[in-house]
Amino acid sequence: DGGITQSPKYLFRKEGQNVTLSCEQNLNHDAMYWYRQDPGQGLRLIYYSQIVNDFQKGDIAEGYSVSREKKESFPLTVTSAQKNPTAFYLCASSIVGRGASGANVLTFGAGSRLTVL
Amino acid sequence: GNSVTQMEGPVTLSEEAFLTINCTYTATGYPSLFWYVQYPGEGLQLLLKATKADDKGSNKGFEATYRKETTSFHLEKGSVQVSDSAVYFCALHQAGTALIFGKGTTLSVSS
Repeated sequence: DGGITQSPKYLFRKEGQNVTLSCEQNLNHDAMYWYRQDPGQGLRLIYYSQIVNDFQKGDIAEGYSVSREKKESFPLTVTSAQKNPTAFYLCASSIVGRGASGANVLTFGAGSRLTVL
Repeated sequence: GNSVTQMEGPVTLSEEAFLTINCTYTATGYPSLFWYVQYPGEGLQLLLKATKADDKGSNKGFEATYRKETTSFHLEKGSVQVSDSAVYFCALHQAGTALIFGKGTTLSVSS
């Protein structure tokens, strides 16, 4: 079955460390997204990419970095510059195309929960 | 800029009660509107969507109608079940932008 796989499901980090969250999809989707979820704040967009080797900052990109070297993969690095990284991180993907059936409907992974010790 | 406002929760109901979760939006033009659902410990799943004014999205007994005159997309279900307990997110999309989510509304249904 096609879908999105995020790993690890749980991750613990010491202050000052960088960590990378993996996101892989086999849906042949062009667009991929990273959201951060905090209690009472809903989902906030960190970065998104609509094509390989290109990505855009979302609303809360500071302290995060991404790469999109392959269509299937969109890893997120949480750097030591992120002041409050403890959160639930969600990766998503979608097809791209004005008017295309299913366009802009996001498929989500199961999430990765990062805790800073 | 574009935004989505949902009623704050939690919403607590008994089984078979009627559910309404309010959602209003601010956007220029004609966005597409969505409801997503998140069950405990999981990612989000698309529940229903509407792409133009007066469209009604429906799925699993849930319905929402795209009302441009009131800029609303309220979620309704006639008879909720315990298994409907989850967090519900209203979302908006316009061409050239990423999806914008509301803050989510937690629904708790007891038997």
